[in-house]
Amino acid sequence: GAVVSQHPSWVICKSGTSVKIECRSLDFQATTMFWYRQFPKQSLMLMATSNEGSKATYEQGVEKDKFLINHASLTLSTLTVTSAHPEDSSFYICSVQDRVVGQPQHFGDGTRLSIL
Amino acid sequence: GDSVTQMEGPVTLSEEAFLTINCTYTATGYPSLFWYVQYPGEGLQLLLKATKADDKGSNKGFEATYRKETTSFHLEKGSVQVSDSAVYFCALLDLYTGNQFYFGTGTSLTVIP
Repeated sequence: GAVVSQHPSWVICKSGTSVKIECRSLDFQATTMFWYRQFPKQSLMLMATSNEGSKATYEQGVEKDKFLINHASLTLSTLTVTSAHPEDSSFYICSVQDRVVGQPQHFGDGTRLSIL
Repeated sequence: GDSVTQMEGPVTLSEEAFLTINCTYTATGYPSLFWYVQYPGEGLQLLLKATKADDKGSNKGFEATYRKETTSFHLEKGSVQVSDSAVYFCALLDLYTGNQFYFGTGTSLTVIP
């Protein structure tokens, strides 16, 4: 069964709206989650590493104030795209670090964000 | 730094054809290697993995062998089906550099009947 639940799967909203995306670890408590962005026909770009109980670590070039990450519990991390604009339209995917060292991350099904 | 170089697509094959998607890597330590598949409009699914040299990962008829001497992890399938149409990503996890995954650019595969 699914290890990671990501919600919503598709969001369409007006420019200026803030959108929250949830990523839940279903099978185990996850101290580390990751947020990726994927542009059409391109690979995944790591945006940030979300650590439970502490501030997220953002990759170079990713705006912290634009993409707010909150990892408030061991099973939930949220990504909020604040004041979204059309250029923020993309496919956002979260992943959860496996409990076993060296094992792959488990990915959510992704959220397609379309800003009108 | 670590990186993954993947064969560019798109790749179009007829049903039952043989598939090879090349993947080579650069890593600081001793990485684990993975192939992920992404079907249209969906997230990533782990297809197969290999955690050390000479390991062979296999799943759903796909195979890939971890070749340390050539730093490669090529994906193969003997007879593709229309349902294999998807984007395939080669990925690397190097614990020496932390828990970050390094993804290839993805290869789009279309299988025609």
